[in-house]
Amino acid sequence: GQNIDQPTEMTATEGAIVQINCTYQTSGFNGLFWYQQHAGEAPTFLSYNVLDGLEEKGRFSSFLSRSKGYSYLLLKELQMKDSASYLCAVRDSNYQLIWGAGTKLIIKP
Amino acid sequence: GAVVSQHPSWVICKSGTSVKIECRSLDFQATTMFWYRQFPKQSLMLMATSNEGSKATYEQGVEKDKFLINHASLTLSTLTVTSAHPEDSSFYICSARSPAGDGGETQYFGPGTRLLVL
Repeated sequence: GQNIDQPTEMTATEGAIVQINCTYQTSGFNGLFWYQQHAGEAPTFLSYNVLDGLEEKGRFSSFLSRSKGYSYLLLKELQMKDSASYLCAVRDSNYQLIWGAGTKLIIKP
Repeated sequence: GAVVSQHPSWVICKSGTSVKIECRSLDFQATTMFWYRQFPKQSLMLMATSNEGSKATYEQGVEKDKFLINHASLTLSTLTVTSAHPEDSSFYICSARSPAGDGGETQYFGPGTRLLVL
């Protein structure tokens, strides 16, 4: 079967750095996505990785290792508004998105 | 970035009525759109994939006769919840796949529609 694993919940302090991990087992791989979803709102696109390595976008970076079936989302200089759920999704060989259950990130002052 | 709109954002209806939700890609053409449902504190659940000009592909367990999907143009897909019941109350979210070259055909989400069936 196909599955995406990510921690259910993480807590971090304002101003700090947090890394949210995602491991996956899918039938084929055509890219990995990270989305942010605030409570009661729809997801918004954060990043896309299809090649190994680190993609940086401001305070957010995403890393991919295809051989290990592993990705992480790194958030720096955490702000209270970063409190949200972070969803990892992998596009499989059929170009379907397989979703993780999401990681709820709680930021404390 | 690509913008997807959804209308209405909120619906309250009586049991047994039908509700239509529209999903539009505002600044790009989307041959493929997706409909999701999300219950409180749960992850997204893909209901169906909507392809322009052809029948939608429904996920296992989703009743195609209850959730009617029409993708009549490259910028509009509609989801009709027929004979809605209280258990259909949920957050319905659509997404549209952007053309290749933009993050590798990224899915952009609409703001969602909250449906409450009394």
